[in-house]
Amino acid sequence: GIQVEQSPPDLILQEGANSTLRCNFSDSVNNLQWFHQNPWGQLINLFYIPSGTKQNGRLSATTVATERYSLLYISSSQTTDSGVYFCAVAYIIQGAQKLVFGQGTRLTINP
Amino acid sequence: DAGVIQSPRHEVTEMGQEVTLRCKPISGHNSLFWYRQTMMRGLELLIYFNNNVPIDDSGMPEDRFSAKMPNASFSTLKIQPSEPRDSAVYFCASTLRTGVTGELFFGEGSRLTVL
Repeated sequence: GIQVEQSPPDLILQEGANSTLRCNFSDSVNNLQWFHQNPWGQLINLFYIPSGTKQNGRLSATTVATERYSLLYISSSQTTDSGVYFCAVAYIIQGAQKLVFGQGTRLTINP
Repeated sequence: DAGVIQSPRHEVTEMGQEVTLRCKPISGHNSLFWYRQTMMRGLELLIYFNNNVPIDDSGMPEDRFSAKMPNASFSTLKIQPSEPRDSAVYFCASTLRTGVTGELFFGEGSRLTVL
């Protein structure tokens, strides 16, 4: 199956800093999503982005499907951005649909 | 519009007891997923349904786990008998598109502790 690797595993920043999180995947995918799991455990959709670039406020994401990676940008970080960021990729193999999550990047924003 | 609704939010039970977790997907969504999250294994897909029909249950850990979706607005995940190693957060998610390629929306999770 497809391997999904996220980097860095941990990131500690001061409030106001910018950050870039990366998601690499080992083969072609049908879609890619980014999620934020906040400190209370809720999994929140950020982007559904099989290819191209999307922006939502201080967050933006770019997926380059041909090169098998996606980037999540967070600008002007706030303490509420803390949590774990997951990417998840969906693919079809031998007629079966699969969805795989990366292990996540734990982001800590200090005031 | 209401999101995915799960209950209970927290459950503490003793080993050997039956546990039933419940999920109401987003209205109109065609696929429903049950995930388990632990520190050791991360997010694992247990089973998913398309139009109320189980499609892939290869992630269900063993026969003690069962899931049903009697109609488009309700699903249950049952563990009988429960064991301490089942302690985890169980998430339900749904998508509008059938299968795993649609945009996934999660419920708030059910945190299960088996003593």
